[in-house]
Amino acid sequence: RKEVEQDPGPFNVPEGATVAFNCTYSNSASQSFFWYRQDCRKEPKLLMSVYSSGNEDGRFTAQLNRASQYISLLIRDSKLSDSATYLCVVNGERSQGNLIFGKGTKLSVKP
Amino acid sequence: GAGVSQSPSNKVTEKGKDVELRCDPISGHTALYWYRQRLGQGLEFLIYFQGNSAPDKSGLPSDRFSAERTGESVSTLTIQRTQQEDSAVYLCASSYSGNYNEQFFGPGTRLTVL
Repeated sequence: RKEVEQDPGPFNVPEGATVAFNCTYSNSASQSFFWYRQDCRKEPKLLMSVYSSGNEDGRFTAQLNRASQYISLLIRDSKLSDSATYLCVVNGERSQGNLIFGKGTKLSVKP
Repeated sequence: GAGVSQSPSNKVTEKGKDVELRCDPISGHTALYWYRQRLGQGLEFLIYFQGNSAPDKSGLPSDRFSAERTGESVSTLTIQRTQQEDSAVYLCASSYSGNYNEQFFGPGTRLTVL
């Protein structure tokens, strides 16, 4: 099993749609989880951290299921500007700074 | 304040040459990371520096790759005897500490080995 696995997409959705991305991770001892966003030919930027109880930031909702080692990101009312690649990130085992980045799920929001 | 900066932004080199990539982290950030991202691929961890601790070099792909950091400031990633498969974007990130805090990325150096 890959350390962090995501559906590569692309997800092509119309404006206003709700879209969900899933991510699975292999390290059952992982404690820190994030979603990053990466625009085309740009560097990744933190979108949101993922907390055990789930958390929401505006149109974005993140959920964590430790038993299934599964993380999700829900985007409501998609905007054209949401078009990007969404990276699932989980802490690894090697060192405290070791974050494992998934390969990302590409989202394209169309008018 | 200023973000993470990297130089050069683009580097084209010939196979077999050495290259040096530079990263200036955000002031006050004790942790610094290097990643490699090949075209259409995910981020590949290379090396992690945290304060004065020994760096985590476990991601370096071969002994042609090395990195140094001066205190808690600038870092350089050196690739010796470059190969075509080294072509990628090299991203540097820094964070306030190494405890899984948010990593702030620089714009990257796009390396092309001919």
